[in-house]
Amino acid sequence: AQSVTQPDIHITVSEGASLELRCNYSYGATPYLFWYVQSPGQGLQLLLKYFSGDTLVQGIKGFEAEFKRSQSSFNLRKPSVHWSDAAEYFCAVPLYGNQFYFGTGTSLTVIP
Amino acid sequence: DAGITQSPRHKVTETGTPVTLRCHQTENHRYMYWYRQDPGHGLRLIHYSYGVKDTDKGEVSDGYSVSRSKTEDFLLTLESATSSQTSVYFCAIGRDTEETQYFGPGTRLLVL
Repeated sequence: AQSVTQPDIHITVSEGASLELRCNYSYGATPYLFWYVQSPGQGLQLLLKYFSGDTLVQGIKGFEAEFKRSQSSFNLRKPSVHWSDAAEYFCAVPLYGNQFYFGTGTSLTVIP
Repeated sequence: DAGITQSPRHKVTETGTPVTLRCHQTENHRYMYWYRQDPGHGLRLIHYSYGVKDTDKGEVSDGYSVSRSKTEDFLLTLESATSSQTSVYFCAIGRDTEETQYFGPGTRLLVL
């Protein structure tokens, strides 16, 4: 079945350390790919998206993601995490045209 | 921020009562979506609309109905609320399929 997987339920990093959040998709064609962030009690905010072209995508707040077709992955990275990055992160793929499928999310804790 | 509001923001109701949640947008986007968010499940699509009076079911539509009589409003109705419908409900809008979805602030619903 076509799906989106975020293998890490929860990640803890120290402030200033690098971060990588994993996202894998199962889909026949190359999909559009999205990363959203949700701060506590808030709605979802778009971090970045991949439609086509350059496989390394830059987003807001210093985040980037790389699409790797061979690994069916779209991992989110940040070279130096700030305490304000503590949030939940969702990978999403629009499958069947109208329907977005979201991963189950990765909760990020940042240690001072 | 995209102009999306949801009302009410919080609601407590009893099992068996009808509940209607409202999503209002000022962006004139064609597509509107209702999701529910539950721990361990990420966001799951309930229903979506691709125009006035045009709606379709999502992944978890049982027990829910929707209506869209104006471009700016998308209503989600729980005809007879059950405890399993306790959740946080998010509305989202988009210009077109597979394009970025913008999310409202959410409605927290508790069914006792």
